[in-house]
Amino acid sequence: KQEVTQIPAALSVPEGENLVLNCSFTDSAIYNLQWFRQDPGKGLTSLLLIQSSQREQTSGRLNASLDKSSGRSTLYIAASQPGDSATYLCGGSTGTASKLTFGTGTRLQVTL
Amino acid sequence: NAGVTQTPKFQVLKTGQSMTLQCAQDMNHEYMSWYRQDPGMGLRLIHYSVGAGITDQGEVPNGYNVSRSTTEDFPLRLLSAAPSQTSVYFCASSYDGGGAGELFFGEGSRLTVL
Repeated sequence: KQEVTQIPAALSVPEGENLVLNCSFTDSAIYNLQWFRQDPGKGLTSLLLIQSSQREQTSGRLNASLDKSSGRSTLYIAASQPGDSATYLCGGSTGTASKLTFGTGTRLQVTL
Repeated sequence: NAGVTQTPKFQVLKTGQSMTLQCAQDMNHEYMSWYRQDPGMGLRLIHYSVGAGITDQGEVPNGYNVSRSTTEDFPLRLLSAAPSQTSVYFCASSYDGGGAGELFFGEGSRLTVL
């Protein structure tokens, strides 16, 4: 059974700092890995999807990598802004995309 | 496109009552699923569907029922509500064409069972 872990549970950084969020998974037969953002009281917004044949994906200031052999994915946020404050979740699938197993998230606060 | 739409956004039930959470998507996605989100436990899969007429159980299916009569709709039924079903419920969909299956979520339905 796939298990997904996100450490740390919470992170506070000053504006402008580059930061890395971590996601670990137990089953290396991962099919895809998706990063999401969740604002308080809202649903999840997809940020990046990395398929098993890929090693990384980039969108603007965000870069996500996937290392299946070590069971890790990282989300890199460059030049953080207060608007980046949210909870970031990763979800991994060993099958169809609908069957994601999620970590419990990292709550990020970017301070002025 | 409205994306994934869930109703109601908030609901309070008494123990033993039944209700249906509605989910509709207008993206012609084949895959739809329901998750519940609880503090400290992350999102857990309840039921999912790979197309109209096809459903299957996820990690925590007990106490919930689903059906998929159309591509667009995937309602979640609580048969006899219990306080342990107090949670935030999310519906999600994906086209999942050959592995390119980005998951899209609704805004959630917050359920309280007294």
